[in-house]
Amino acid sequence: GENVEQHPSTLSVQEGDSAVIKCTYSDSASNYFPWYKQELGKRPQLIIDIRSNVGEKKDQRIAVTLNKTAKHFSLHITETQPEDSAVYFCAASLGGNNRLAFGKGNQVVVIP
Amino acid sequence: SQTIHQWPATLVQPVGSPLSLECTVEGTSNPNLYWYRQAAGRGLQLLFYSVGIGQISSEVPQNLSASRPQDRQFILSSKKLLLSDSGFYLCAWSLGRSYNEQFFGPGTRLTVL
Repeated sequence: GENVEQHPSTLSVQEGDSAVIKCTYSDSASNYFPWYKQELGKRPQLIIDIRSNVGEKKDQRIAVTLNKTAKHFSLHITETQPEDSAVYFCAASLGGNNRLAFGKGNQVVVIP
Repeated sequence: SQTIHQWPATLVQPVGSPLSLECTVEGTSNPNLYWYRQAAGRGLQLLFYSVGIGQISSEVPQNLSASRPQDRQFILSSKKLLLSDSGFYLCAWSLGRSYNEQFFGPGTRLTVL
């Protein structure tokens, strides 16, 4: 089955700096890669996603890049703000029925 | 608009007791439904998913079971809870096609003592 790994497990950045989280996946058949953000005590919410036919996608301060050959994808957050502090989960599609395999999550701490 | 509800919000149960967690979705028809468990440091683990009434697929063998008695109702059950069942249980829904966002419910915090 699909195995999704995230690195690093915890990331601290100064406010205004950039943050990068990397994920690797094992199943070359995976073709959809979403990122979810979970603030403390709240439910995970989708922040950006990318399909396998695209190499990069941007949405304001957030971008995701995908390298299908190497089977890894990354989340980039620029000009970090305190409200970016959260746990970020990457995921990869698991066969059909819109199933996802999630990574263990990255704790991002933005230091004011 | 669509909304997803879970209850109870928190639950403390003794080892060996039964469990029933409920999830309901409003504002959509024939959604895919999912149960996840979130344990500390272990991310989101998919437990069950359902593509229709009475259709349940299990991802991880365990002492939990799921049922979908109605189109927008998903229930997670156990006959006898284990200590290792403690965690944060999240229900989610999505449209049935691929590449669709999964929308999570508020979750149930289960503590087994």
